[in-house]
Amino acid sequence: NAGVTQTPKFRVLKTGQSMTLLCAQDMNHEYMYWYRQDPGMGLRLIHYSVGEGTTAKGEVPDGYNVSRLKKQNFLLGLESAAPSQTSVYFCASTPGWGTEAFFGQGTRLTVV
Amino acid sequence: ELKVEQNPLFLSMQEGKNYTIYCNYSTTSDRLYWYRQDPGKSLESLFVLLSNGAVKQEGRLMASLDTKARLSTLHITAAVHDLSATYFCAVGSMEYGNKLVFGAGTILRVKS
Repeated sequence: NAGVTQTPKFRVLKTGQSMTLLCAQDMNHEYMYWYRQDPGMGLRLIHYSVGEGTTAKGEVPDGYNVSRLKKQNFLLGLESAAPSQTSVYFCASTPGWGTEAFFGQGTRLTVV
Repeated sequence: ELKVEQNPLFLSMQEGKNYTIYCNYSTTSDRLYWYRQDPGKSLESLFVLLSNGAVKQEGRLMASLDTKARLSTLHITAAVHDLSATYFCAVGSMEYGNKLVFGAGTILRVKS
């Protein structure tokens, strides 16, 4: 049972490049979340999804897009990367109300 | 807007001492979580608190929830070095579209 898997684990991008981060969960969870973690700022919610085909904005959505075409996958896209998007990105999933969220191992992204 | 505030943000304590981390949130919550994060690692679930007056304990850690005061506490009893980590509280709310919002985290250092 893999749980929540993020791909890739590390990436270096040049300013202006685009990329997609993949979050895959094999637990049939309804809710999925994308966060970024920066020193001293905790985890900030970028976008989230409460089911297949749905997405919603979190606290810091600018510069990111997401898609949830399949229930098990939640994709986070950066169309034109900026140095301010250098961060560690975490994906999480949960079955629904009242249950703990399970986190992926994180993706360390550096934009130069 | 759903806001979560933790204090203190940094805590240095001696082994054997007791201390409490506080988590205040801004609105009606359906669920309150506590997580632990070791440096360079992902987040590990500690507690899920769902109702007013809920108290959960695991080893030297005890979490409680007061929904009327919009406050959760994480109490550390007789701290040991292995408890050194960053602790996050997170609040989920159906009122806010099932967002899961994190506090900034408390860095705990237990000195021998």
